[in-house]
Amino acid sequence: GESVGLHLPTLSVQEGDNSIINCAYSNSASDYFIWYKQESGKGPQFIIDIRSNMDKRQGQRVTVLLNKTVKHLSLQIAATQPGDSAVYFCAETNTGNQFYFGTGTSLTVIP
Amino acid sequence: DVKVTQSSRYLVKRTGEKVFLECVQDMDHENMFWYRQDPGLGLRLIYFSYDVKMKEKGDIPEGYSVSREKKERFSLILESASTNQTSMYLCASSSRGRVKNIQYFGAGTRLSVL
Repeated sequence: GESVGLHLPTLSVQEGDNSIINCAYSNSASDYFIWYKQESGKGPQFIIDIRSNMDKRQGQRVTVLLNKTVKHLSLQIAATQPGDSAVYFCAETNTGNQFYFGTGTSLTVIP
Repeated sequence: DVKVTQSSRYLVKRTGEKVFLECVQDMDHENMFWYRQDPGLGLRLIYFSYDVKMKEKGDIPEGYSVSREKKERFSLILESASTNQTSMYLCASSSRGRVKNIQYFGAGTRLSVL
């Protein structure tokens, strides 16, 4: 079956620093990836997505990097703020509809 | 603004009870999904639906059933609740097709089975 995993279950960063959250995936056929943010007591929220024909995509303070050679995905958050504290997880799909989700990394921002 | 609404944030039920979890989306999405989320296991797909009256088993369908009588509503049913079904349940929806497949999630229902 598919496996989508995160290298680190927890990450602590100082406010203002950049954060990098990593994700490994095993299905080389996956062609669409999403990063979600889940705050305590809330459902997952879409942050940014990327298709396999791209290596990098930027949003507001966030950048997703895709390395298809090693099947690795990362989320970079610039100038991390206390409001960024949450669980972040990646999701992959090769069908366009059914996704497989990672277990998540808990990001804590230290003021 | 997209909206997926789950009828209850918290539920407490007893073993053996029949439990209904309701989900409504207002985005006219074709696809709807039910997941459960457990610590260390991430989101696991229970059932999904591509259209009205259509359903497909996900990875962990045992002990669950679903109903999709209207496009905007997808219900998860626990026929006879058991303690190992204590979990956070998340509903999601997405549009059909490969152009844009973002799944939008509800706030979740935390179910405790005693």
